[in-house]
Amino acid sequence: QLVESGGDLVQPGRSLRLSCVASGFTFEDYTMHWVRQAPGKGPEWVSGIGWNSASMAYADSVKGRFTISRDNAKSSLYLEMNSLRAEDTAFYYCAKGPYASGTWYFDVWGRGTFVTVSS
Amino acid sequence: IQLTQSPSSLSASVGDRVTITCRASQGITNYLAWYQQKSGTVPKLLIFGASTLQSGVPSRFRGSGSGTVFTLTISSLQPEDVATYYCQNYNSAPPSTFGQGTRLEIK
Repeated sequence: QLVESGGDLVQPGRSLRLSCVASGFTFEDYTMHWVRQAPGKGPEWVSGIGWNSASMAYADSVKGRFTISRDNAKSSLYLEMNSLRAEDTAFYYCAKGPYASGTWYFDVWGRGTFVTVSS
Repeated sequence: IQLTQSPSSLSASVGDRVTITCRASQGITNYLAWYQQKSGTVPKLLIFGASTLQSGVPSRFRGSGSGTVFTLTISSLQPEDVATYYCQNYNSAPPSTFGQGTRLEIK
């Protein structure tokens, strides 16, 4: 129901754009989030966006570098990542919230796309 | 808000009752979720609101607690329950935080 793409090997300081396409539910009715997980580590919430894009939030670790956006007509979620660092290396999961606004738990997860930041 | 899980790993026998604890650095009422992550797969929501079982999750999983101390209990451990379990706080989120995980194995 959630399929991510865009993960790649990228050099430090460069940019990358992740995408997530949703199916099987009414995309515009829910908040959407990006959650990442470095190998062998626990999940880390990265960013979230409300149903109508009026509200967006970021973890301190990515604030000012990452931008979340969505296109409800395409049932798609995006994450623009700039000034990438080695510590951004992780699986990036697209995740659905249970309501139209707010940051809650995540009831649907994609399979993830892997981002490697290395020279 | 920091979440601390204990133990970090445990080994138990099939049929055992297993309990995992998650402690919050400050009160979060009941804004806590539990996830199960099997090796090579994505996290799966088990419980939200500290004690509400997600649809499709076996009834042997039970969540309890409020404020700063929460527990996930598996009443009778099954082989398919081998996984890492994470708690997640969503009180006053964002940001939302996760615990460091508890790895559960079969003895």
